[in-house]
Amino acid sequence: KAGVTQTPRYLIKTRGQQVTLSCSPISGHRSVSWYQQTPGQGLQFLFEYFSETQRNKGNFPGRFSGRQFSNSRSEMNVSTLELGDSALYLCASSLGQGALGNTEAFFGQGTRLTVV
Amino acid sequence: TQLLEQSPQFLSIQEGENLTVYCNSSSVFSSLQWYRQEPGEGPVLLVTVVTGGEVKKLKRLTFQFGDARKDSSLHITAAQTGDTGLYLCAGIALSGGSYIPTFGRGTSLIVHP
Repeated sequence: KAGVTQTPRYLIKTRGQQVTLSCSPISGHRSVSWYQQTPGQGLQFLFEYFSETQRNKGNFPGRFSGRQFSNSRSEMNVSTLELGDSALYLCASSLGQGALGNTEAFFGQGTRLTVV
Repeated sequence: TQLLEQSPQFLSIQEGENLTVYCNSSSVFSSLQWYRQEPGEGPVLLVTVVTGGEVKKLKRLTFQFGDARKDSSLHITAAQTGDTGLYLCAGIALSGGSYIPTFGRGTSLIVHP
C-alpha cells in the first residue's frame, strides 16, 4: 500500500511569507502528527491531529498551525516565516491516536523548507 | 520540558565492530522507541520497549529499557555498512491526558567497509 506522502519535497520562501505543507496519510490511518527536524534542535513534535481535531500540541509559537480534513489529509501552515524556520518538516500517520505513543507511526519523506 | 540525552552524537567505525548508543533522561517514560533515518527519508521505527528492564533483539540489534524507564541503549553486533544512518530514540510520556514524544538529537553512525 502507498506510504505517507508529503508535498512539496522542497520549498524556498522569503522571510515574512507564509507556507502551507501537505501530508497524505496511509489509507485508513486517522492520526497525523507533524515534526520539525533541524541539525541544532533535532526532531521536535509540533502537533497531532485525529479525526479533524488537534489532540496534542508541542512547544511552538502560534505561527505554526495545522488542520486535518475529513479524508485524514493534513496541512501545516507557518506564517510570517523566519530564517530559523528552515528545517525538514516531517509528518507521520498512524491508525490510532497518540503521536507515536499507542500505535506504530509511519513517517513521510519530509518537506525541506529553506527560508531566505 | 522533558529532555532526552543521546550519546555519542557521531560514531565512525569499521565493518564488523560492535557499538552501543545510549539514551538518557531524568524523566520517566511510559515507553521508548528507537528509529533509524537515512538521508532524504523519514525515520523508520525499529522497536518499542515498554517494560522497565525489557530487552528486545532484532537480528544483530539489541535494545534495552532501563529498570526505572528513564534510559535505554541500542547495541549493534558486527556492524555492517547497511547499518549506516541516524539513530533516534524517542521517549513517550503522558502529558495532559495525551502521549507526547520527546526525541533525542540522534547518533549519526557511519560504518566503513
